[in-house]
Amino acid sequence: GNSVTQMEGPVTLSEEAFLTINCTYTATGYPSLFWYVQYPGEGLQLLLKATKADDKGSNKGFEATYRKETTSFHLEKGSVQVSDSAVYFCALSVPGTYKYIFGTGTRLKVLA
Amino acid sequence: GAGVSQTPSNKVTEKGKYVELRCDPISGHTALYWYRQSLGQGPEFLIYFQGTGAADDSGLPNDRFFAVRPEGSVSTLKIQRTERGDSAVYLCASSSSTVTEAFFGQGTRLTVV
Repeated sequence: GNSVTQMEGPVTLSEEAFLTINCTYTATGYPSLFWYVQYPGEGLQLLLKATKADDKGSNKGFEATYRKETTSFHLEKGSVQVSDSAVYFCALSVPGTYKYIFGTGTRLKVLA
Repeated sequence: GAGVSQTPSNKVTEKGKYVELRCDPISGHTALYWYRQSLGQGPEFLIYFQGTGAADDSGLPNDRFFAVRPEGSVSTLKIQRTERGDSAVYLCASSSSTVTEAFFGQGTRLTVV
């Protein structure tokens, strides 16, 4: 079946620290991969996506590379800010379907 | 509208009661999705509409749950004989097609007491 596993939180970092949130997946076929972010009091927002192997998605200083050989889509940012504090969800959708399969979410807290 | 709107934002109901949750998608979006997010979990798929019809309702947990989208725009998720285990955040999302980004609403937090 299809599933997403992401590292458990919470993750607490100081401002300007390097961030990695691990995400691995299991899927039939070749899924599209996504990172969604949920800021306090707001709805889920698409942060970045990649639709095929070796694609790199990027947005707001965040990056993630679609690694087919390791079935991973780790989220990275070189220098986090307090405003990055949120819950981050890794997700996949399998071509020909419309369902997102989400991970359990990772809460990030950035301290000034 | 500017985004996906869900009402109410919070709903507290007694066990056994009937509730309706409303979703107003982005104007022109033909695809609409309902997800359920329990505490500490990621969203789980419930049902998908393409236009007025439910193309896939395989995620609905049982026959107490039902959803409609009579005019291909606003959708209502209906829960009969609510149980405490139904307590969760119910998320609605819409997209212009199944292959493009889905935009999520802020959700309705349902608490069954």
